[in-house]
Amino acid sequence: DVKVTQSSRYLVKRTGEKVFLECVQDMDHENMFWYRQDPGLGLRLIYFSYDVKMKEKGDIPEGYSVSREKKERFSLILESASTNQTSMYLCASSPFGTSGPSYEQYFGPGTRLTVT
Amino acid sequence: AQSVTQPDIHITVSEGASLELRCNYSYGATPYLFWYVQSPGQGLQLLLKYFSGDTLVQGIKGFEAEFKRSQSSFNLRKPSVHWSDAAEYFCAVGPSGGYNKLIFGAGTRLAVHP
Repeated sequence: DVKVTQSSRYLVKRTGEKVFLECVQDMDHENMFWYRQDPGLGLRLIYFSYDVKMKEKGDIPEGYSVSREKKERFSLILESASTNQTSMYLCASSPFGTSGPSYEQYFGPGTRLTVT
Repeated sequence: AQSVTQPDIHITVSEGASLELRCNYSYGATPYLFWYVQSPGQGLQLLLKYFSGDTLVQGIKGFEAEFKRSQSSFNLRKPSVHWSDAAEYFCAVGPSGGYNKLIFGAGTRLAVHP
């Protein structure tokens, strides 16, 4: 089974801190995604990566950056955390391809981040 | 523009009752469609998916969904709900904009009364 793990389930940080959220997948997937989830808004894509060192902005990249130095690991960085970044952060991965199975995303358990 | 609409934000059903969660999409080509479930404090788990072929697809936990192209819908159904089905359900469509992205609906939160 595909396993996607996230470094923390719960995280509390102070305003202005630099925050690192780590995601690791064990299925050799090329694509990795970071979403934030807020009540009533569903999942919104922050950034995604389709290969090592390759990244693309999603719908809400402001205030975030990402790093993908190894295929299995995709990090989300909050350069200077703010209270409006308090949210649930979900990481997902999917394999390369253009057929149906390559669009199925596998999710980690999420990190609930609180910025005070 | 591509979009997914889940018209019901909250639904409450009694245990043992039937369930239908609605999902409508706007998409220019033949979509790939997914339903995910999220239990409290957890990540998303795939319930079922439609790629092609039979428009009625079966998933895990006794769920099924029917793809209706003419109505741009992919509604999720279960004949008899269990208390453990209380969760949030997300419909998704893809691909979007290349790179295997999906568009997610805002979710429907299901409560189950005993």
